[in-house]
Amino acid sequence: DGGITQSPKYLFRKEGQNVTLSCEQNLNHDAMYWYRQDPGQGLRLIYYSQIVNDFQKGDIAEGYSVSREKKESFPLTVTSAQKNPTAFYLCASSPGTGDGNQPQHFGDGTRLSIL
Amino acid sequence: ILNVEQSPQSLHVQEGDSTNFTCSFPSSNFYALHWYRWETAKSPEALFVMTLNGDEKKKGRISATLNTKEGYSYLYIKGSQPEDSATYLCALLRWDNFNKFYFGSGTKLNVKP
Repeated sequence: DGGITQSPKYLFRKEGQNVTLSCEQNLNHDAMYWYRQDPGQGLRLIYYSQIVNDFQKGDIAEGYSVSREKKESFPLTVTSAQKNPTAFYLCASSPGTGDGNQPQHFGDGTRLSIL
Repeated sequence: ILNVEQSPQSLHVQEGDSTNFTCSFPSSNFYALHWYRWETAKSPEALFVMTLNGDEKKKGRISATLNTKEGYSYLYIKGSQPEDSATYLCALLRWDNFNKFYFGSGTKLNVKP
C-alpha cells in the first residue's frame, strides 16, 4: 500500500539537543510538507518542498531545518534554537505543484516532548 | 497572517442528529478549499476538494457547499453516527501560492450513541 511513514511515533528531546523526525513517502509525490499542531490551534506550516533539492520556509520555520535529497524523503530537524518544541508534528505530501484539486496525504504524526 | 476560521470549535450531538459546521476564509485569491476528516490516533483523510463557487459535493451522509464570493464553506452530516466522531479540518489554497495550505483549527465532533 502506498502511503506516508513517519517515525518515531514518540520522541523525547533533552535541552540543547537536536532531533530529527523522519518522513518517507512511496506515493511518487513531488511536494512534501511539515506541519506543527499545538493544542487548540490549526496545523501550522513549518517547511515545504515542491521538488527534490528545493524547499521553502513556512510560517514558523525558525528553529527548524529540512533537507530534500530524495523524492521520497523529507526529514525535519528540530534544533536547539527551537525554544518550545513540544508539539505534534505531521508530515504530508501531494502529487505536484500547482494542482489544488489534489488533496494532501498525511502520515500518522510524531509527538515530541521535552525531557 | 491569513486566518481560516472554523466554527464551532467542538460539537456534541446524539446519534441520528444532523449537524453542520462552518469554514470561513478570505475570499481574495481563492483557488481551492479542502475538507479533511481526522479521527483520533489516525492520520487526516481527504473528504472533499472544492474549487468552484456554488460547488456542492456529497459522500454518503456527508456533504459540503462552497461560497467563494463571501468566503465560506459548510460541511453537513445527515443522521450522525458514532463513527462520524472526528475532527473536521478545512484548508485553503490561494492563487498566490499553489502549494501552501492554510488550515483552520478544526471542529471536533462527538456523536453519542
